[in-house]
Amino acid sequence: EAGVAQSPRYKIIEKRQSVAFWCNPISGHATLYWYQQILGQGPKLLIQFQNNGVVDDSQLPKDRFSAERLKGVDSTLKIQPAKLEDSAVYLCASADIAGGRNEQFFGPGTRLTVL
Amino acid sequence: QKEVEQNSGPLSVPEGAIASLNCTYSDRVSQSFFWYRQYSGKSPELIMSIYSNGDKEDGRFTAQLNKASQYVSLLIRDSQPSDSATYLCASLDRATGNQFYFGTGTSLTVIP
Repeated sequence: EAGVAQSPRYKIIEKRQSVAFWCNPISGHATLYWYQQILGQGPKLLIQFQNNGVVDDSQLPKDRFSAERLKGVDSTLKIQPAKLEDSAVYLCASADIAGGRNEQFFGPGTRLTVL
Repeated sequence: QKEVEQNSGPLSVPEGAIASLNCTYSDRVSQSFFWYRQYSGKSPELIMSIYSNGDKEDGRFTAQLNKASQYVSLLIRDSQPSDSATYLCASLDRATGNQFYFGTGTSLTVIP
C-alpha cells in the first residue's frame, strides 16, 4: 500500500512570497489532515478534511493560509504572504476513520524556511 | 480543552535496558491512543495503537492504557541505539470530528 505523498520536500522562500504544498493521501482514506510542526513541538492541526468538506479549520490563520481538497483526494495548502514565523515542517496525514480504522499515517513532510 | 502531556525529557537509557515513556491526557472521552516515533528530520511513524485498558505488546514494544487514571505508557524492552528518537503520544477524539491531539514528545537517547 502506497503511503501519503507530499511535495515539495523542501522549500526556501523570502517573507511576503507565496508557497503551495501538495498532498496525496493513502488510497481510500477519506480523512485528511494538515499539521504544522515547529522544532521541539508536537504537530499542530491546521485543517481537517472529510472527503472534500472541511471538518475543522479553527487553527488555520485564514488571513494568510488556505487549503482545499476539491475532489476529495489530493489537497493543497497555500501560504500567501509568508512570514518568518511560518518556518516549520508542514505535515499531511490521512486516516480511514469512517472505515473503522482509527490509525493516522503521515507523509514525509515539507520543510519550509522563510528568510 | 483537550490536552495530552508528556515529559519532554531528554530520557537516556543504556543499550539493552527498558525505556519507559509516559503520557497523560485530560479528556475522559478519548478512547483511542497512539504512539509515534519521530527520528530527527523525519515525519512521525506510527508504532503502536491501543484502545482498551491493559497492555498491548508488539515485539519489543508494550503500550499500557489506564483509562481510570488517564494514563498511557510505552515500554521499549532491550533498547537499541536505533530507538533513539522523539516519541509522540496522541489521542483520538471521535466526539469532535475525529481530531488527533498530540503531546510535545519525549526525546529518547539509547547509549551504546
